[in-house]
Amino acid sequence: DSGVTQTPKHLITATGQRVTLRCSPRSGDLSVYWYQQSLDQGLQFLIQYYNGEERAKGNILERFSAQQFPDLHSELNLSSLELGDSALYFCASSASYRAPFSGNTIYFGEGSWLTVV
Amino acid sequence: GEDVEQSLFLSVREGDSSVINCTYTDSSSTYLYWYKQEPGAGLQLLTYIFSNMDMKQDQRLTVLLNKKDKHLSLRIADTQTGDSAIYFCAESMQGSSNTGKLIFGQGTTLQVKP
Repeated sequence: DSGVTQTPKHLITATGQRVTLRCSPRSGDLSVYWYQQSLDQGLQFLIQYYNGEERAKGNILERFSAQQFPDLHSELNLSSLELGDSALYFCASSASYRAPFSGNTIYFGEGSWLTVV
Repeated sequence: GEDVEQSLFLSVREGDSSVINCTYTDSSSTYLYWYKQEPGAGLQLLTYIFSNMDMKQDQRLTVLLNKKDKHLSLRIADTQTGDSAIYFCAESMQGSSNTGKLIFGQGTTLQVKP
């Protein structure tokens, strides 16, 4: 158990709909990351937040948005869903925004499976 | 550019050693990681190596880094059926944005036959 909690674990929704994925980081971690894992794109970095502020942006579509709340939990909002958005969405957390350089590591949750039909 | 390449599949017999290889392109990589993903599960951090190291050993796992060739390998000694999983190589870089972003390879599926 990594200590990163994601909900829901599985979600099936129709095209055009909007969903929200939720993540609770490990206790004490200030940085939260979102990654998308799909068959064709592999594991792609979407976005990083640190202590409530956006820190880095990756291949995140404009239809997607995220935020980190004062209690440090994060939500990833996916709207106008398309079939190609079906994927496993991972949340990860670390103590600092520069975790890999400080010796702190990034821990991943078990992911939220999104199926768009 | 940012690119991490892995072979897609490796099959070994139980008890043999497994060697999973990875190449990366960004010479500014500072840390390199190996993650394990079991069916239906999340990513589990196995080990990592700092770019100024050549080797790191952790029980049955040995990581070798050839920085000149930008080649990373993970050796699993005495491979067990429970080691069957997808193994991801990942790199992090010290860019101007100073983020914790990881670049992942495509993953190598390790099949361990009894």
